[in-house]
Amino acid sequence: DGGITQSPKYLFRKEGQNVTLSCEQNLNHDAMYWYRQDPGQGLRLIYYSQIVNDFQKGDIAEGYSVSREKKESFPLTVTSAQKNPTAFYLCASRMGASGSLGEQFFGPGTRLTVL
Amino acid sequence: DAKTTQPPSMDCAEGRAANLPCNHSTISGNEYVYWYRQIHSQGPQYIIHGLKNNETNEMASLIITEDRKSSTLILPHATLRDTAVYYCIVRAFTGTASKLTFGTGTRLQVTL
Repeated sequence: DGGITQSPKYLFRKEGQNVTLSCEQNLNHDAMYWYRQDPGQGLRLIYYSQIVNDFQKGDIAEGYSVSREKKESFPLTVTSAQKNPTAFYLCASRMGASGSLGEQFFGPGTRLTVL
Repeated sequence: DAKTTQPPSMDCAEGRAANLPCNHSTISGNEYVYWYRQIHSQGPQYIIHGLKNNETNEMASLIITEDRKSSTLILPHATLRDTAVYYCIVRAFTGTASKLTFGTGTRLQVTL
């Protein structure tokens, strides 16, 4: 089935460790996004990528890094520089190159807890 | 992107229509209105979007006022599975940024 997968669903890490969250899509979508959601809050954009080998910072990029080496993959690394990494992380993708409209499709999310 | 205002919560009886309002008084002429919903601990799901005209699909209808300063999402026959947080978002058709800015949304509770 076509869709977006994020794994694992729950992730625990010790403070000070970097951790990489995976996001894979087989929808042949051009654009991919990472959002963070804290309890009772809306989503905030971390990074997004509209084509392979290119990405832009969102509203809260500090303490995070991404790569887009393949169209179907957009991993997010939460570094030790991120002050409050515990959150629900959502990946999304969208058909169409820059400037085109289309709804974003979201993955199931990864709930990261830093102990 | 224009700011949106939504009530924090609403209740609806199962089988009745759920009408979710959204104010976007500073919307620009090139900005679309999008609706997403998020069921607890899942990723958001796209519902519908529109520019000026009313829109309808298999999930919902979107009514946009003539001055475009507000809109209403209508779920014609709400079910318990429609219980979720509903986000109203306005976004421009732009060549450089295609991000969605999510607010805190409306928590719709559908009851028996």
